[in-house]
Amino acid sequence: NAGVIQTPRHKVTGKGQEATLWCEPISGHSAVFWYRQTIVQGLEFLTYFRNQAPIDDSGMPKERFSAQMPNQSHSTLKIQSTQPQDSAVYLCASSLVGGAETLYFGSGTRLTVL
Amino acid sequence: QQNVQQSPESLIVPEGARTSLNCTFSDSASQYFWWYRQHSGKAPKALMSIFSNGEKEEGRFTIHLNKASLHFSLHIRDSQPSDSALYLCAGNYGGSGNKLIFGTGTLLSVKP
Repeated sequence: NAGVIQTPRHKVTGKGQEATLWCEPISGHSAVFWYRQTIVQGLEFLTYFRNQAPIDDSGMPKERFSAQMPNQSHSTLKIQSTQPQDSAVYLCASSLVGGAETLYFGSGTRLTVL
Repeated sequence: QQNVQQSPESLIVPEGARTSLNCTFSDSASQYFWWYRQHSGKAPKALMSIFSNGEKEEGRFTIHLNKASLHFSLHIRDSQPSDSALYLCAGNYGGSGNKLIFGTGTLLSVKP
């Protein structure tokens, strides 16, 4: 099992450009989570899907961030008009059914906005 | 929304020492609690979990949960240089989905 796969590992964008981050969850896992990690804020929850349906997006900055899960094998996080404060490591995690299950994290995408 | 505070922010201990990491939650509604460990440049990985008041031991690691005081701790016996990592505590937050809310972490360095 390859684990949770995130691409790209690193992404550099200019201010105002769009960034799309990809996540492939572990096969058979029905819950997918997106987190953002910075030194100052730590690991912040962004959004959560179960069986491809959006369950909770309470952590998403509403205006420029969006997430989708078009099929059970991948999810995307899109950031429009990126700003320097969006620079962070974006982590995707999956679990069997969500709730009390173990989260398995990918290695993350490091986004740098210049 | 659940708020999770961890202390200390960072810690340096000698090899062989007993290490204690602390976590305090703002919300008593969480039902399950986790410690995750993240080595430098790597993904966070689940270490241990507990779902009820009390203690749980696995090898050199012991976790203790006191829901009444909203306190959760991790104790490492005979700390090793390989234990050097960022330790993150987390509790679930129900609402509509039961997501995990994480603390900002304690950076542990074990010196040989």
